[in-house]
Amino acid sequence: GEDVEQSLFLSVREGDSSVINCTYTDSSSTYLYWYKQEPGAGLQLLTYIFSNMDMKQDQRLTVLLNKKDKHLSLRIADTQTGDSAIYFCADPSGSNTGKLIFGQGTTLQVKP
Amino acid sequence: DTAVSQTPKYLVTQMGNDKSIKCEQNLGHDTMYWYKQDSKKFLKIMFSYNNKELIINETVPNRFSPKSPDKAHLNLHINSLELGDSAVYFCASSQAAGTGEEQYFGPGTRLTVT
Repeated sequence: GEDVEQSLFLSVREGDSSVINCTYTDSSSTYLYWYKQEPGAGLQLLTYIFSNMDMKQDQRLTVLLNKKDKHLSLRIADTQTGDSAIYFCADPSGSNTGKLIFGQGTTLQVKP
Repeated sequence: DTAVSQTPKYLVTQMGNDKSIKCEQNLGHDTMYWYKQDSKKFLKIMFSYNNKELIINETVPNRFSPKSPDKAHLNLHINSLELGDSAVYFCASSQAAGTGEEQYFGPGTRLTVT
């Protein structure tokens, strides 16, 4: 079945870049997503990338997509303490129902 | 102004009880979802309704029954609660059911079964 995998934890110093990685198995999806979950809150869509793109940049965020290797990454430049959260990669699994397959989430810890 | 709201925020109950969680969205969206997030933060879809019609029904025990009285509301009723039902339940909504639709999440309901 569909599967999305992420590493569980990343710790960086404030001002450094953070790179969160994700691998997925279903290559038929039109989009791939990154969601952010702050402590005690629901998820918020952070960014997304079309499957026909290799890269998308949005201010401090850069998403890279390697379709051949089914690898997605999220780079956060100049990481701030406010970026501390759990980041989820999500794959619509090619379905048209809105179903999202989430990775396990990567907890980003930003040290001052 | 809350887009997707859930009640209650916390729910503590004993095994065997029946409880309901309510969700409302004021975004005018057609599609609503229930997700379960376990203690390891793993998030999995349970159900989805589009225009009050059930379109996603994952492998969930039939003790869980969603009900959508109208497009703006999706409630989750759980019978005979078990310890393993302890989790955070998130409601979400999107404009439509297709891929590419951003899902807006509620703040979650933390259910603790003792």
